[in-house]
Amino acid sequence: DVKVTQSSRYLVKRTGEKVFLECVQDMDHENMFWYRQDPGLGLRLIYFSYDVKMKEKGDIPEGYSVSREKKERFSLILESASTNQTSMYLCASPPPAGGYTDTQYFGPGTRLTVL
Amino acid sequence: GENVEQHPSTLSVQEGDSAVIKCTYSDSASNYFPWYKQELGKRPQLIIDIRSNVGEKKDQRIAVTLNKTAKHFSLHITETQPEDSAVYFCAASIDYKLSFGAGTTVTVRA
Repeated sequence: DVKVTQSSRYLVKRTGEKVFLECVQDMDHENMFWYRQDPGLGLRLIYFSYDVKMKEKGDIPEGYSVSREKKERFSLILESASTNQTSMYLCASPPPAGGYTDTQYFGPGTRLTVL
Repeated sequence: GENVEQHPSTLSVQEGDSAVIKCTYSDSASNYFPWYKQELGKRPQLIIDIRSNVGEKKDQRIAVTLNKTAKHFSLHITETQPEDSAVYFCAASIDYKLSFGAGTTVTVRA
């Protein structure tokens, strides 16, 4: 059973702080994704990575960066947190290519509040 | 990029009735269409999916249909039960990149 874990369930930060959200998957998957979820907007893709050291921008990358130093860990970084980044952040990882499904396995989410 | 629209945004049904949620997508290259159910405070869970080479798929009380020509797909839930109450998301995928609809809040009235 795939396990995707996130470092915090709830996080409160102040405007201007640098924020790190960590995601770890234990199935040796190559692909990892970061989404944010807001009411009425669904899930929107921030960044994704197909391999270590690789990263690609999603649909809303502004204000975010990512780091993938190890295959199992994908970090989302808010360089200078702002109130409009208050949201639920979800990490996800699909099985390798050729798996029976392309479905994304989601982590439990981190609810970030920026004051 | 891909744009997925989902309707309705809220849906209230009597227990035992059917529920239908519809989605449209813009990119004809999308080839995988999953549906997720998210209960309050929990992560999204896949409930059914369909690939672009299939027109219909059924799993017990839920079914999904896909019309590639019209670029729309639908989720059908029959004999709804109170535990079906949740937010449902459709998505369209190209190369594992998922674009989600805005979600439908389904409430099943007892």
